[in-house]
Amino acid sequence: NAGVTQTPKFRILKIGQSMTLQCTQDMNHNYMYWYRQDPGMGLKLIYYSVGAGITDKGEVPNGYNVSRSTTEDFPLRLELAAPSQTSVYFCASSRIAGETNEQFFGPGTRLTVL
Amino acid sequence: AQSVTQLDSHVSVSEGTPVLLRCNYSSSYSPSLFWYVQHPNKGLQLLLKYTSAATLVKGINGFEAEFKKSETSFHLTKPSAHMSDAAEYFCVVSGVLSGGYNKLIFGAGTRLAVHP
Repeated sequence: NAGVTQTPKFRILKIGQSMTLQCTQDMNHNYMYWYRQDPGMGLKLIYYSVGAGITDKGEVPNGYNVSRSTTEDFPLRLELAAPSQTSVYFCASSRIAGETNEQFFGPGTRLTVL
Repeated sequence: AQSVTQLDSHVSVSEGTPVLLRCNYSSSYSPSLFWYVQHPNKGLQLLLKYTSAATLVKGINGFEAEFKKSETSFHLTKPSAHMSDAAEYFCVVSGVLSGGYNKLIFGAGTRLAVHP
């Protein structure tokens, strides 16, 4: 199993450009998450999904959009890139909800907005 | 509400000496707690988790952590550091999003350096 995969690994955007960060998992997990990691900080939740067709906002959703048309894929969309969105983005998935459940993380996408 | 505080942003040890990474948590109920490790330019990997079973939890690569409710702590230890242990370590408490879904609350991280 590949687990959670993310593309691209690196990207540089100009202010105002848009892009989609791709995330795919092959573990048949219902729950998927997008986080951002800023220097010296822990991860902050952007959006999450509890199944195909169902998404909800996390702690820092402004400037982002998501969709979940299949169980496997959970893309994150930046419509108008801003320097404040320079960060490392991680996608994660988990089998079920509940406090004891482990989340599995992808390798991350490093995004710079200039 | 749940929160987690990692008491050291950087820890430096010599190879072969013990490792101690400190974590305190705050929770209104008995939490689930995790330690994740992040090697440079890699994703996060689960080291170990506490889920209200044994208070001493053993993880991968010789790491272990002890849940101490009276001290609200979940410190990570390893008897003998290896060069490959150099990484960022995150203490994480599990909370609940609206709707009852699993949410992870991350500490700011501790960067562990291991010197020859």
